[in-house]
Amino acid sequence: DTGVSQDPRHKITKRGQNVTFRCDPISEHNRLYWYRQTLGQGPEFLTYFQNEAQLEKSRLLSDRFSAERPKGSFSTLEIQRTEQGDSAMYLCASSWGGTGELFFGEGSRLTVL
Amino acid sequence: AQKITQTQPGMFVQEKEAVTLDCTYDTSDPSYGLFWYKQPSSGEMIFLIYQGSYDQQNATEGRYSLNFQKARKSANLVISASQLGDSAMYFCAMREGLSGAGSYQLTFGKGTKLSVIP
Repeated sequence: DTGVSQDPRHKITKRGQNVTFRCDPISEHNRLYWYRQTLGQGPEFLTYFQNEAQLEKSRLLSDRFSAERPKGSFSTLEIQRTEQGDSAMYLCASSWGGTGELFFGEGSRLTVL
Repeated sequence: AQKITQTQPGMFVQEKEAVTLDCTYDTSDPSYGLFWYKQPSSGEMIFLIYQGSYDQQNATEGRYSLNFQKARKSANLVISASQLGDSAMYFCAMREGLSGAGSYQLTFGKGTKLSVIP
């Protein structure tokens, strides 16, 4: 399968715990994005990488959130000291540029108890 | 003001009929792109169609077409010959700025849930 893959698909955690999500983009794509989607809403932009450089961060990305893309390939999104409001689907997407069409993974669903 | 507005929370369509999903957008940037994505219950966002602000003709991709009315700032998705597998959430999104410059982030609307009736 050569699409965007995300792991884990589901994560249930207790408030205050740290969680980490991984995203493997399509191999030839140099741009990688993280979005968050809550119930009944469209995806909201969190952050964007071009190769290993994090070029944009949304105000939604509080200091408890950190994202990395160390070698310009896979990326991780870590949430520290999780809160119930962090419960959402975390979507990763990649693109090569052009029109900007994004290819999404199936998402990682986080439930914070 | 919201950048992308989808006013139809839910729509029903009879199988084999055509359906139009509404989308209006708000931007002062003369260069932008408009996208439609489908999200089935599995959760993955599937790209359907793209329209650039300078494109002269409406985009088409198989059974999908985009009714682009620039002056009205609308980019409605038309699905012809609906199939049961078309039942899903549909999201309109916009990227502001030219390809290769500016932000690559997409701003999404709240979506429309389409249900196809046999």
